[in-house]
This record gives sequence, structure tokens and C-alpha cells, in this order.
Amino acid sequence: DAKTTQPTSMDCAEGRAANLPCNHSTISGNEYVYWYRQIHSQGPQYIIHGLKNNETNEMASLIITEDRKSSTLILPHATLRDTAVYYCIVRVARNTGNQFYFGTGTSLTVIP
Amino acid sequence: NAGVTQTPKFRVLKTGQSMTLLCAQDMNHEYMYWYRQDPGMGLRLIHYSVGEGTTAKGEVPDGYNVSRLKKQNFLLGLESAAPSQTSVYFCASSYLYGGAPTDTQYFGPGTRLTVL
Repeated sequence: DAKTTQPTSMDCAEGRAANLPCNHSTISGNEYVYWYRQIHSQGPQYIIHGLKNNETNEMASLIITEDRKSSTLILPHATLRDTAVYYCIVRVARNTGNQFYFGTGTSLTVIP
Repeated sequence: NAGVTQTPKFRVLKTGQSMTLLCAQDMNHEYMYWYRQDPGMGLRLIHYSVGEGTTAKGEVPDGYNVSRLKKQNFLLGLESAAPSQTSVYFCASSYLYGGAPTDTQYFGPGTRLTVL
């Protein structure tokens, strides 16, 4: 059962902000939202995570709606090196540890 | 500091053969994970380990076994490979901070496995 849904693909002009949406309508109160990206076929790379407050770091900003049913990852000034597949992930806490549920991701292409 | 390394990078097996994938990390991380990624899909968790000598099942554990005899190594075994196990396998690790896993997972470069 998919925990997140994302657009299959998006384009963004170089230097502009890239806004990547994600729906997680079945998220529970203690489940975090994480974002990772995967460039070519490399291992995924951590970007940012949050629970209910908006978050910002050196790579991106994460905006989570008040009802927590959706979120948006913002890359403020996209570069060609940001072309990648971006995964919105729900982290589920279990007694034996935390588990990530990856969706199919959004393929972002930054256009010169 | 090599981070997370995986051995081998590529492998072709025949149906029914067995093999072991090795994941090693030199960051002294407590948590380690094995994922598989099928074409056009996201990663799915196979098994994971919260420390030396402990393992747990993830989302798709059937057909795989794992062992964590040393903190720095996490082995993934296929006892009788099937074509459905053709995939790219990623290993990852994460560390504890304040008693809880940070979940900033560091991934290896992947192993491409084809089962004929």
C-alpha cells in the first residue's frame, strides 16, 4: 500500500525554484516525512525531514500542511546538478526500529 | 573514510544458485539496511539491523537471509536465486544520536544482480 504519491516527472528552469509536491493522506501522528534524492543510479542522498513544522537547511525547504496530508519540497535556486529522482518518504516507527516507505518518486529535470 | 561499500558491483546468477552480498561501513554506525530497487520503482526495505547480532524483517524479506556478525558488516544472502530477484540492491547505514537513530541513511553504490 502506497504511503506517498508524487508526480512522475517535472521540469524546472535553471536558477528558478523547484517545488516538488507529495501527498501522504494516510500519515499517522508520529510518522515523519523525509525527502531523499537519487542521481543517475547512485545510492539515494538525504535532503531534509520534518514532522509538522516547516524545515529549512542548506539544501532545501520543507513545507508541511497543517493537516499533514501533504508536503512540498522546495529547491530555492535549481541547478543542473539537481536533476535527479526525488523521493518523498514516510518513516514508520516500529518496535524493532524505523522503516522507510519509498514511493516511486518524481524525476526532476533542470533545464538550462 | 570509504563510507558504505558493497561487494560485488555486478553479478549474474542462474536460477537456483546462491550468493552473498557484502556491505561494509567504516563510520561505526549502529543501524544497517538492505534495500532492493526494481526498474522505475522506489527502494523497498528487505531486512535491517539495529546492532551487532540483531536483524529484523522489512517490507519484502521473503527469499533473503541476513547476518550481522560484526558491527561494520551486513551480509545479504540468496539461498536459491529466482528471476524475480533481479534487481539493484542498496545497502545503507545510520547512526544513533541521543539514543535514537538519526535516519540520515548513508547509501552504498549498489549491486546490480541479474538472475537468469
